[in-house]
Amino acid sequence: SQQGEEDPQALSIQEGENATMNCSYKTSINNLQWYRQNSGRGLVHLILIRSNEREKHSGRLRVTLDTSKKSSSLLITASRAADTASYFCASDPPIQGAQKLVFGQGTRLTINP
Amino acid sequence: GAGVSQTPSNKVTEKGKYVELRCDPISGHTALYWYRQSLGQGPEFLIYFQGTGAADDSGLPNDRFFAVRPEGSVSTLKIQRTERGDSAVYLCASSLLLSSTDTQYFGPGTRLTVL
Repeated sequence: SQQGEEDPQALSIQEGENATMNCSYKTSINNLQWYRQNSGRGLVHLILIRSNEREKHSGRLRVTLDTSKKSSSLLITASRAADTASYFCASDPPIQGAQKLVFGQGTRLTINP
Repeated sequence: GAGVSQTPSNKVTEKGKYVELRCDPISGHTALYWYRQSLGQGPEFLIYFQGTGAADDSGLPNDRFFAVRPEGSVSTLKIQRTERGDSAVYLCASSLLLSSTDTQYFGPGTRLTVL
């Protein structure tokens, strides 16, 4: 498998706390994206960070990228019950052609009320 | 507007049977992708189309799998002689243009169960 790795595999926190998920990938990239998936079905795009960017914000989301370590992190601040879902990073390796996303195994996030 | 739709939402079949899974992309999206997601795993790339042609089918696991997009819109993923190991959620996604910064919009998936 060419999938990246994410940790933790599962994370359970209280509502209002911050959640941090980490992702590592294996090859050079054009960009790295984060997706959310509810109930094992369709994925929703959250944020894209380009390979020449180090940090990006979108609402309560903060993404960092360290290309030297081939790693990324997703921070969700002030978590809500509705944030309960699985979160996947997806890398876009340039050597394999545009947009052949390589997904990590995901972090299952549970927000407890 | 309407998102990506996939039919059926669930498909149960017997080992050895033939199945077709359909994807309706967002109108006007030229790129279409198929992924497969096994339980507890992230999606794995199967094939993508730019227009009517399969630009890259390197993710198809073997020659039992085939996909078409004859008019550059709807796509059908076809699986012959299904095996129990084919059981997974098959996800379709589309994007406006085939570039490294376009967002892929995913459908809800088809859950295939091979008994």
